[in-house]
Amino acid sequence: GIQVEQSPPDLILQEGANSTLRCNFSDSVNNLQWFHQNPWGQLINLFYIPSGTKQNGRLSATTVATERYSLLYISSSQTTDSGVYFCAPRNQAGTALIFGKGTTLSVSS
Amino acid sequence: DTGVSQDPRHKITKRGQNVTFRCDPISEHNRLYWYRQTLGQGPEFLTYFQNEAQLEKSRLLSDRFSAERPKGSFSTLEIQRTEQGDSAMYLCASSLATLVVRDEQYFGPGTRLTVT
Repeated sequence: GIQVEQSPPDLILQEGANSTLRCNFSDSVNNLQWFHQNPWGQLINLFYIPSGTKQNGRLSATTVATERYSLLYISSSQTTDSGVYFCAPRNQAGTALIFGKGTTLSVSS
Repeated sequence: DTGVSQDPRHKITKRGQNVTFRCDPISEHNRLYWYRQTLGQGPEFLTYFQNEAQLEKSRLLSDRFSAERPKGSFSTLEIQRTEQGDSAMYLCASSLATLVVRDEQYFGPGTRLTVT
């Protein structure tokens, strides 16, 4: 099955800093989502991005499916950005999402 | 659109007991998924329904686990003879899959199970 690797595993930032989170996957995919898991465990949808670039406020994401990676950019980070960020490509059958271990982000004021 | 809801939010049970969790998907979503998440890991897929039909099951879903989605609306996940290794967050997700609408999954808040 598809393997997902996210880097870095942990990231500590001061408020206002920018960051880039990377997601590598082992096989071609036609569907990929990014999530933010808040401290209460809720998974919040950030992007549905099988390919190309999308932006939503301070966040943007780029997926290069042919090279099997996706990037999440966070600009001007805020303390509320803290949590775990997951990328999740869809399995070959096009049903289940396959999650990596995530990147744990801590933003301090 | 009230989002995906799950009940209960927390469950503490003794080893060997049976437990049942409920998931209510987003209205009119035809696909429903169950995942399990343990500490420090990403969610892992358990099973998936298209309407009322259970179409895919992970090998993680042992014979002590059973899931149903009667009438293609809410779903239940039952764990029989719970073991301490079943302690985890159980997440439900739903999506609307059609030829023209993208199949984006939305997650509920989860049920945290602790087996003592």
